[in-house]
Amino acid sequence: AQSVTQPDIHITVSEGASLELRCNYSYGATPYLFWYVQSPGQGLQLLLKYFSGDTLVQGIKGFEAEFKRSQSSFNLRKPSVHWSDAAEYFCAVGAGGGTSYGKLTFGQGTILTVHP
Amino acid sequence: DGGITQSPKYLFRKEGQNVTLSCEQNLNHDAMYWYRQDPGQGLRLIYYSQIVNDFQKGDIAEGYSVSREKKESFPLTVTSAQKNPTAFYLCASRTTGPPAFGSGTQLSVL
Repeated sequence: AQSVTQPDIHITVSEGASLELRCNYSYGATPYLFWYVQSPGQGLQLLLKYFSGDTLVQGIKGFEAEFKRSQSSFNLRKPSVHWSDAAEYFCAVGAGGGTSYGKLTFGQGTILTVHP
Repeated sequence: DGGITQSPKYLFRKEGQNVTLSCEQNLNHDAMYWYRQDPGQGLRLIYYSQIVNDFQKGDIAEGYSVSREKKESFPLTVTSAQKNPTAFYLCASRTTGPPAFGSGTQLSVL
């Protein structure tokens, strides 16, 4: 069964500091990996995705993530955090492209607080 | 504009009552999903459908039912068998790309 673990429930950083949110996954085939961000009471917005190719992927809002197959990880990073980045972040894994639209599994989320 | 519309935004259920949450998409996506979100528990999959007239149970399907009679619609019914229905419900859809999400429905018990 596929699964996603986000070890950090809550992270606090100062504005301007660097950020890394951890994500570990378990999946039997080539994973399709995503990071989403959610503001309170809202839906989820896609930050970036990985299916194949370059293991370092760039997303919106200055975020990037690195896929490391040997560590089953897909950590999200940002070099300098802005106060507007405060939100909850979700990592997800599912079947990749083609005609496979199957089950998607999300992690428990990491709440990011940004201090001025 | 293309997107996913969930309605209502807020919904209240009385004891013993069934309620239905609406999810409509005009993205021409094949697959649709329902997730339940509780604080600190992330998103848990209730049901998903890959094509019209077919759907599969997710991890927490008990107390819920769905239908997929049209490609663009995937309503979720929260039945009286669901003893703890208070949660934020999110609908999503996708084809080969990453899922797009609606803005959610907050369900509360009166």
